[in-house]
Amino acid sequence: NAGVTQTPKFQVLKTGQSMTLQCAQDMNHEYMSWYRQDPGMGLRLIHYSVGAGITDQGEVPNGYNVSRSTTEDFPLRLLSAAPSQTSVYFCASRQTMTGGNQPQHFGDGTRLSIL
Amino acid sequence: GQQVMQIPQYQHVQEGEDFTTYCNSSTTLSNIQWYKQRPGGHPVFLIQLVKSGEVKKQKRLTFQFGEAKKNSSLHITATQTTDVGTYFCAGPLPTDSWGKLQFGAGTQVVVTP
Repeated sequence: NAGVTQTPKFQVLKTGQSMTLQCAQDMNHEYMSWYRQDPGMGLRLIHYSVGAGITDQGEVPNGYNVSRSTTEDFPLRLLSAAPSQTSVYFCASRQTMTGGNQPQHFGDGTRLSIL
Repeated sequence: GQQVMQIPQYQHVQEGEDFTTYCNSSTTLSNIQWYKQRPGGHPVFLIQLVKSGEVKKQKRLTFQFGEAKKNSSLHITATQTTDVGTYFCAGPLPTDSWGKLQFGAGTQVVVTP
């Protein structure tokens, strides 16, 4: 079972460049989300989706866009990279939409550096 | 808004010793989840607590949910080097029907042989 697959694993960008972080899951999960992890700050929610065609903002959405055209895929786009977006990005999925009472499955992460 | 806080932020433990890490929420939680992240890895789900006062054990790990459902603890006995990592608690935002999780900042555990 692949679970949640993120690509790339590492990326270095220059300020102002754009890129897309890919996330795919093969568990038919309705709920998918993107987090960023910075030292001492835990995991902060960027955007989430409760199904194909439905997305919403999380805690720190500025500078990021998402779309959900299929159940499996949930890409995260950096529009114009800034050094403050240097972080480790995790994609996660879980089985149900409501209640938050299902465990989240995380991908291996993308380590992104913005110069 | 809801705040989920974890203490301590860092925990240095001698191998074989016990320790406890705590998670406190500013609001009542419907449930709380615990995750472990090994160095360089991704968070992995450990357990979920739902009932007031609930206690669950996984080998040397004991998880507890407070009576008021506003705090939780993770107690590890006879710490081993395999326990190294960061432990996160997470609770769903109370006003959010989709159950978005808010994570604590984590307790980073270092084990000295």
